[in-house]
Amino acid sequence: DVKVTQSSRYLVKRTGEKVFLECVQDMDHENMFWYRQDPGLGLRLIYFSYDVKMKEKGDIPEGYSVSREKKERFSLILESASTNQTSMYLCASSGGRGRSPLHFGNGTRLTVT
Amino acid sequence: AQRVTQPEKLLSVFKGAPVELKCNYSYSGSPELFWYVQYSRQRLQLLLRHISRESIKGFTADLNKGETSFHLKKPFAQEEDSAMYYCALRDSGAGSYQLTFGKGTKLSVIP
Repeated sequence: DVKVTQSSRYLVKRTGEKVFLECVQDMDHENMFWYRQDPGLGLRLIYFSYDVKMKEKGDIPEGYSVSREKKERFSLILESASTNQTSMYLCASSGGRGRSPLHFGNGTRLTVT
Repeated sequence: AQRVTQPEKLLSVFKGAPVELKCNYSYSGSPELFWYVQYSRQRLQLLLRHISRESIKGFTADLNKGETSFHLKKPFAQEEDSAMYYCALRDSGAGSYQLTFGKGTKLSVIP
C-alpha cells in the first residue's frame, strides 16, 4: 500500500518565519504534489514535480517554493509566512507519468499567528 | 481552462434514501474524471474513476459528455457515507499531471 508521510500534523508559526513542510513517499512515484485545502475553496494546487529537481507552478504558487532533491521527498517552503497562509496542506504522489490516481498524506495543519 | 463545479456545499439525506452528489465540468479536451472522499480525521482517498466503470461502496458515477457531468450516486445512503466528497478532472492526454478539484460537497447522512 502506498504511503505518503507528512512530517508534521500540526504546526504553529509566527508571521515572517521561514517554514518547511516535508513529505516523503515510499512507492518510487515520479510525481509529487502540494495542495492547500480550505473550507469552501476545495483543494488548490500550489506546486508539483514530475521528476527529481523538476518543479512546475500550480494555480496558487505565490508565496511558496518547493524543493525535490530526492525522488521520495518533496518539500514545500514558505519563505516568509503570512496569516493568509494558515491552512491545511496536503501532499500527494502518483506514478506512471501522471496516469495513476493520487495518493494523499494525512495533511499538515499550519497556523500562522 | 478546466473547471470543476460542485453546486452543493452541503447535502443532508436520511439513512436509506438515495444520494446524488452533482459534479459538472468545463473542459475542451478529453477529460478523465474522479471522485475522492475524505472521512472524518482520515486522509483524502480515491473513491472511483470513470474509466474503471466500477461500483465502490455502492457508489457509481457515469460520465455524461453531452451534459459535461459526472454525478455520484448511491441508491441507499448509510451513516458511514457521511464525509466530504470531491470531484476532480484531469486531461487524459499524455504527459498531463494536474488534477483540478471542485470545492467539495459535505454529505451528512441522518440516522
